[in-house]
Amino acid sequence: RKEVEQDPGPFNVPEGATVAFNCTYSNSASQSFFWYRQDCRKEPKLLMSVYSSGNEDGRFTAQLNRASQYISLLIRDSKLSDSATYLCVVNNNAGKSTFGDGTTLTVKP
Amino acid sequence: DTEVTQTPKHLVMGMTNKKSLKCEQHMGHRAMYWYKQKAKKPPELMFVYSYEKLSINESVPSRFSPECPNSSLLNLHLHALQPEDSALYLCASSFLTGANTEAFFGQGTRLTVV
Repeated sequence: RKEVEQDPGPFNVPEGATVAFNCTYSNSASQSFFWYRQDCRKEPKLLMSVYSSGNEDGRFTAQLNRASQYISLLIRDSKLSDSATYLCVVNNNAGKSTFGDGTTLTVKP
Repeated sequence: DTEVTQTPKHLVMGMTNKKSLKCEQHMGHRAMYWYKQKAKKPPELMFVYSYEKLSINESVPSRFSPECPNSSLLNLHLHALQPEDSALYLCASSFLTGANTEAFFGQGTRLTVV
């Protein structure tokens, strides 16, 4: 079993749609959690940190469920510019970041 | 300044060459990382430096040799690489290692080994 598993995708949605990605992790001692986005042939860029209390940034909402060991990302009112690969990242205390395989989102007009 | 700068952006090298990748940040971060990313795959951690000391080596072959000359610079020395080492090499930095530390990535060096 992979340490971090994501919805395989791809997700193809129309503009304005709401889309949700899930990610599960296997190490219950994992400490911190992030969503990154990566555009084609570019570097990953931090989208959001994920906290147990949940956090929201505009159209994006991230949630963490420690009991079930999953994190989620919700994108409301999708824009064409949201098309990218979304990477779930889990950190342990030793500084090791483990990436999920990524979920590709394509938002179509 | 929230940038991590990597040079060169592209590199083509032969299997007998020696080359170095460079990474620089001026955010005062004390943790720096090298990742390797193949096409359509997530980044894979190679090395972690914490306070200029190597703290994690993910069983990387010795033909990859990292170096951290100071808190702002990270190098990756390459020697006798194989064609399967062709990939995007990403440098990242964070304030510290450990929990709750967000990493910032450079644009990467796209390496082709011929």
